[in-house]
Amino acid sequence: DAGVIQSPRHEVTEMGQEVTLRCKPISGHNSLFWYRQTMMRGLELLIYFNNNVPIDDSGMPEDRFSAKMPNASFSTLKIQPSEPRDSAVYFCASSLGQGNEKLFFGSGTQLSVL
Amino acid sequence: AQSVTQPDIHITVSEGASLELRCNYSYGATPYLFWYVQSPGQGLQLLLKYFSGDTLVQGIKGFEAEFKRSQSSFNLRKPSVHWSDAAEYFCAVGARGTNAGKSTFGDGTTLTVKP
Repeated sequence: DAGVIQSPRHEVTEMGQEVTLRCKPISGHNSLFWYRQTMMRGLELLIYFNNNVPIDDSGMPEDRFSAKMPNASFSTLKIQPSEPRDSAVYFCASSLGQGNEKLFFGSGTQLSVL
Repeated sequence: AQSVTQPDIHITVSEGASLELRCNYSYGATPYLFWYVQSPGQGLQLLLKYFSGDTLVQGIKGFEAEFKRSQSSFNLRKPSVHWSDAAEYFCAVGARGTNAGKSTFGDGTTLTVKP
């Protein structure tokens, strides 16, 4: 299995632009998570899905952030408009979703908003 | 709500020496506990987890951790560190009955290994 695949690996954009981060979970996994990692705040859970349905989006910082999971093999995290304080590494992770089994993380997207 | 504290931001050990990374948690009952490792430019990888049973848990790469309820701790240990163990280590605590992805992560401990 290829693991959790995120794209792009790096994104540099100007303030005000729309940013779309993509994630392909491991086939057969029913839960998908988006995290943000910064030096100041550490690793934060933004939102997670079970069976393509958003379960908890309480970690989404603002309305500028939105996430979708149109099918079991694809999810997007969109920021519009982007701001410099959104600069961080964004991780996607997936799990079987049956309980507290292990998470599988992607390699992350390094986002820089200038 | 649960919380987790990793008191050591940065630890340096010599190759071949033993290692202990500290983790303290706060939770009203017995939580689920995890240790993850993150290599530069990579996502987190699960080293080991504690759900119930034997309080000494064995993980991958020769790591182990011991759950001590009386001390609210879940320290990670390795008897002999290898240079490839240099990475950032995260402890996480999860509430029973919830999805592992809702775990609360500590701020991480960066391990440097001296030759």
